[in-house]
Amino acid sequence: GAVVSQHPSRVICKSGTSVKIECRSLDFQATTMFWYRQFPKQSLMLMATSNEGSKATYEQGVEKDKFLINHASLTLSTLTVTSAHPEDSSFYICSARSSPGQEINEQFFGPGTRLTVL
Amino acid sequence: LAKTTQPISMDSYEGQEVNITCSHNNIATNDYITWYQQFPSQGPRFIIQGYKTKVTNEVASLFIPADRKSSTLSLPRVSLSDTAVYYCLVGDIPGGYQKVTFGTGTKLQVIP
Repeated sequence: GAVVSQHPSRVICKSGTSVKIECRSLDFQATTMFWYRQFPKQSLMLMATSNEGSKATYEQGVEKDKFLINHASLTLSTLTVTSAHPEDSSFYICSARSSPGQEINEQFFGPGTRLTVL
Repeated sequence: LAKTTQPISMDSYEGQEVNITCSHNNIATNDYITWYQQFPSQGPRFIIQGYKTKVTNEVASLFIPADRKSSTLSLPRVSLSDTAVYYCLVGDIPGGYQKVTFGTGTKLQVIP
């Protein structure tokens, strides 16, 4: 199946700093990517939908000025956690959707990024 | 978006067949049913997808009754490596983008 990568896989930062997480679709073009957050022993929570060439759509309760999303190309979306705080520590996962019209429509998930804010 | 309900956890012995049922009473006509597997500290992995009746691939089978208000993921002869969380999702495909909502998932523990 298609491959989605994330970088970095793990990051530790100080409170108040900003952290950028990259999500890449390696062998297909993704006009739409999704960002999720997962706290320990909980399910994935959709944060935002990233659309290539346009503004991201954020879920209710997610601060768009804190979680900056940029989808500048068909293979790259970035999530920047600005002024990070310890409560932002979580597992961040991106996914990319296969092209419309495919027989099987699935989301391909990245391996996740573990963010720890000290 | 159709809400899904699954058992929180299940235990099974190695070699047994495991059936995980998901309820989605408000599934819409255009919704498909997709199951994902997630290991700790990894992203979810696609298992199987279906619309109605039965779908089978190399790793699992998916049974969907005529009313489509539920579905059952069947894992044949599980091994210890199948210990994971299994998520049932419903969403509208194809066309447009598929925004999905993850439910609680079912934590499957395979016992030696």
